[in-house]
Order: sequence, then structure tokens, then C-alpha cells
Amino acid sequence: GESVGLHLPTLSVQEGDNSIINCAYSNSASDYFIWYKQESGKGPQFIIDIRSNMDKRQGQRVTVLLNKTVKHLSLQIAATQPGDSAVYFCAEIDYGQNFVFGPGTRLSVLP
Amino acid sequence: ETGVTQSPTHLIKTRGQQVTLRCSSQSGHNTVSWYQQALGQGPQFIFQYYREEENGRGNFPPRFSGLQFPNYSSELNVNALELDDSALYLCASSQGLPGEKLFFGSGTQLSVL
Repeated sequence: GESVGLHLPTLSVQEGDNSIINCAYSNSASDYFIWYKQESGKGPQFIIDIRSNMDKRQGQRVTVLLNKTVKHLSLQIAATQPGDSAVYFCAEIDYGQNFVFGPGTRLSVLP
Repeated sequence: ETGVTQSPTHLIKTRGQQVTLRCSSQSGHNTVSWYQQALGQGPQFIFQYYREEENGRGNFPPRFSGLQFPNYSSELNVNALELDDSALYLCASSQGLPGEKLFFGSGTQLSVL
């Protein structure tokens, strides 16, 4: 079946450095993708989204890149801060217009 | 804060019992989705309701059922609880047609003993 997965389960970065979190997807028909951040004890929080007619979208300190050729999605966080420590999920829309989540990447920000 | 509220926050049940989890959607949102999140995993789609009708269902058995009310609040019911049902249950609401971005509540942590 269709699946969304991440290349790295954990990522440690120095405070102030840039972070890149990757995601592979298998449904070539997916046309909408979202990145979520989940902190301990909380529900997933929307970060940024992108539709398949774009290859890049920027927000505040975050950028999402979409490469449809290789079915790859990435989240870039600029000047990573301690508050960015969390688990990050990518999600894609499936044929039934429901979101399928990947297993997540834990981001740890080192002082 | 998303405006999506879930109750209770924590719940302990024993195997074989039944449980009802509740969700209040963000104002103006007419679609609600329920997800199960096991420890260390991503959320797994259970089902979605749009304007009080089930609009999609994931790979969960019929003992997982739901309702959406006219005010767009929602319930998730699980019968004949099993140990593997222990998880964080997340409710998410969205505006407009299904397929729009989801806004999540903080979840209900269910423990089945």
C-alpha cells in the first residue's frame, strides 16, 4: 500500500545551526503534503504545507521542498533553537482525501 | 492552541470494557478525523466524519465506531477493549471539504490493563 516514511529516525543539531528533516513518499498521485511538529504530551501542531504544483514554500524560519521526480519532501529549519526540539512528521493526502503520516523524526537541539 | 478540545485527557480501562472519547472541533470546522498514535509511532488514521457522515475509514475493526453531532463535536467509541488499544487517541478538525489541513487536539491517553 501507499506509505510515507522518513530516512532518519533521530537528528541532533547544535543550537543555531540549520536542520534538515527528510521524508520519502510512495503515492505519486499525492497532491498535498504537510509537516507537523509534536512536542511531548501534545498533539501534532501544523508547521507548513505545500501542494504538488509548487516545489518550494517558505514560512517563518522554515522551508519545505518538494521533489516530485524522486518523491521526496524535506523540512528545513533555519537557526535551530531549543524550542524546536520535538518529533516532526510529514503527512500526505491519500486517495480518500485523508492524511497518512510517516513514523516521525526526533529532533534534538544541543546547547 | 488549535481550539480542538478532547476529553478525558487520561483514561484507564480493563480488557473487554468499552470506552467513549469526546472531541469538540474548532469553531467553523465541519470535518473531524480520529487518529490512534502508539508510543514512538506516527498517527494512524481511524476514520473521518464530514457533515455527520463517515467519509473514510482506516484499517481498524468495526469495534471502533464514531459519531459526529450537528454542532460538529464528535465521539470515538471502542468496544471490547484489547491491550493493544493502549495509545494516544487524537482528534483533528478541518474546515471545508475533506483534504484540508488538520488541527489537532492534545489527545486522550488510553491505557488498557
